[in-house]
Amino acid sequence: DADVTQTPRNRITKTGKRIMLECSQTKGHDRMYWYRQDPGLGLRLIYYSFDVKDINKGEISDGYSVSRQAQAKFSLSLESAIPNQTALYFCATSDRADRADEQFFGPGTRLTVL
Amino acid sequence: GENVEQHPSTLSVQEGDSAVIKCTYSDSASNYFPWYKQELGKRPQLIIDIRSNVGEKKDQRIAVTLNKTAKHFSLHITETQPEDSAVYFCAASSSNSGYALNFGKGTSLLVTP
Repeated sequence: DADVTQTPRNRITKTGKRIMLECSQTKGHDRMYWYRQDPGLGLRLIYYSFDVKDINKGEISDGYSVSRQAQAKFSLSLESAIPNQTALYFCATSDRADRADEQFFGPGTRLTVL
Repeated sequence: GENVEQHPSTLSVQEGDSAVIKCTYSDSASNYFPWYKQELGKRPQLIIDIRSNVGEKKDQRIAVTLNKTAKHFSLHITETQPEDSAVYFCAASSSNSGYALNFGKGTSLLVTP
C-alpha cells in the first residue's frame, strides 16, 4: 500500500548505535502503530499513537522510543541498538477512533544489529 | 493482556482442498478479529475480518467463524490455489489496548499443485 511508507527499507548497524526508523502516511489516519516481526513469533506491538499528543506503550516497548511529529509521521528510535533487536519492523495506520478497524501496513524495515 | 494462540504453525494441502486455521483468544473484551495474509517479502494485508456481533462471514472462497463463548475463531479457505500459499495471521483487538492488534504466531500455508 503506497499510502504508508517506511524509511529506510534495510539497515545494518552496530551494537550501541542510535537508529531511527521513519514512517509516513498519506491516508489521513489518526492512529499509527509500530510492530516488530520475528520468525515464528508473529507481529508484536511496540508502541501506538492515537494522535500527536497521545503515545502508548505496547507489549515490547523496552529499548525503544517513539515520536509522533505530525499526524502523518511516526518515528521509532532505538537509543542503543543490541543484536536481539534484529528484526523486521512494520508501521501501520488505522482510521476509526471509536472501534477497531483494518490496519494498513507499510512495506517494512529490515534491521540488522551486529 | 490479550493472548492469541494460532494452530497449526504449518499446513500443507493439495490444490483444490480446503484449509482451516484456528485461533483462540483470552480477553473476553476483544471484539474485532481480522485475518492477515503475508506473502514472502511483503507486508501483511487484510483478507477478512469479523466483529463479535457476527458469528460467520464469507467472501468468495474465504470464510471466518467466531465462537465468543469458547473464545475461538477460524479461517476457512475452500478450493485452495497455489497463490493461496503464504503466512496467515489471526489477530484480536479490544478497546483495552487502544484497538491495537494482538497477533497469533502465524500459519505457513503451502498449496501444492
